[in-house]
Amino acid sequence: DQQVKQNSPSLSVQEGRISILNCDYTNSMFDYFLWYKKYPAEGPTFLISISSIKDKNEDGRFTVFLNKSAKHLSLHIVPSQPGDSAVYFCAARDQAAGNKLTFGGGTRVLVKP
Amino acid sequence: GAGVSQSPRYKVAKRGQDVALRCDPISGHVSLFWYQQALGQGPEFLTYFQNEAQLDKSGLPSDRFFAERPEGSVSTLKIQRTQQEDSAVYLCASSSRFRELFFGEGSRLTVL
Repeated sequence: DQQVKQNSPSLSVQEGRISILNCDYTNSMFDYFLWYKKYPAEGPTFLISISSIKDKNEDGRFTVFLNKSAKHLSLHIVPSQPGDSAVYFCAARDQAAGNKLTFGGGTRVLVKP
Repeated sequence: GAGVSQSPRYKVAKRGQDVALRCDPISGHVSLFWYQQALGQGPEFLTYFQNEAQLDKSGLPSDRFFAERPEGSVSTLKIQRTQQEDSAVYLCASSSRFRELFFGEGSRLTVL
């Protein structure tokens, strides 16, 4: 039973345009959400996070939106750059259950110059 | 360096062999996690330590998998009698309390 799902395995976008990555979750106990970025042969690196008490968090070109009622979050990258080409993982945590993260399956983003 | 260090980066084992994967977390990080990532999938939780205590091992797929962190720093993930389905990248991560996880580069295990 996948508790965190990323339904789009891949996304292709033109440089300078917006990339929108989506993530859905089923566990209503999740209260903290994170996005990680992964390049080939490297470990995932933390990108941005959001607590369930917020609906938006922004950090430079990256913005994460959380819709708790829909159990949905999204990551917007504006403007997209070729260096953003990577696999992006959505992750969620139930802080009351410990510090472990539950990951989605990932979305591969290709930014074309 | 200052990041999470894992060794070996690559390991090829014959089916039935035992393997040991090492993780050196960021200095001072209390929490340490092991994840398994199969090709084309997201990381799957295996086990979690807080200092030397293994607080959650619910993700270990079988009793062939064993993890330890005896002094609350370096951790070892051991897989006994490896099977082909154990082939994956094993990721170690560490964190301060309730902060984001910092991952190592992973150990890629191939079982022939």
